[in-house]
Amino acid sequence: EAGVAQSPRYKIIEKRQSVAFWCNPISGHATLYWYQQILGQGPKLLIQFQNNGVVDDSQLPKDRFSAERLKGVDSTLKIQPAKLEDSAVYLCASSSTGTANSPLHFGNGTRLTVT
Amino acid sequence: SQKIEQNSEALNIQEGKTATLTCNYTNYSPAYLQWYRQDPGRGPVFLLLIRENEKEKRKERLKVTFDTTLKQSLFHITASQPADSATYLCALSALRGGYNKLIFGAGTRLAVHP
Repeated sequence: EAGVAQSPRYKIIEKRQSVAFWCNPISGHATLYWYQQILGQGPKLLIQFQNNGVVDDSQLPKDRFSAERLKGVDSTLKIQPAKLEDSAVYLCASSSTGTANSPLHFGNGTRLTVT
Repeated sequence: SQKIEQNSEALNIQEGKTATLTCNYTNYSPAYLQWYRQDPGRGPVFLLLIRENEKEKRKERLKVTFDTTLKQSLFHITASQPADSATYLCALSALRGGYNKLIFGAGTRLAVHP
């Protein structure tokens, strides 16, 4: 099966600019996740979708971050305006059911550098 | 507060030896615990999952234990190879509003030397 696709792979922007990331999950996977991974740290969950509904966005900085999942398939994550501390790798993952015994399949991420 | 702790120091071992990585947690009662491997510049890759009522799980050269009394999981790689060098992440499943939320530790970097 094709894996989780993310684009772009790298992005460099200046602070206060906006940026968007795109994710195409594994076909048929109901649950989609966006994680932020700062260098040297583990992935931190930003938002979790079940089909096209949000089930957890408790750690999403909603004043600057937004995400949507179109028709329960592709997803975009946007940052506007970016801050220096947003420099990180943004990982998209999907799982078939979102249950506790359903492993996550990750894309290779988008590395964002904010200068 | 809830915490997941993995050795922040890199683990250096000789090829052929057994690598043992530790994952400790506090203030969680996870039903499941998962281990992932992450290579530089890549996303994490799922390795093994263990349930709270399972003491041990094996897959080829990998073995995971889960002690809910000690709140600890150990991850073993036997007959380690240089190709096993990577960062290994443990993750706990926590149910929130009926949905599984996977919370990751910071990972331990393993270096296997020839």
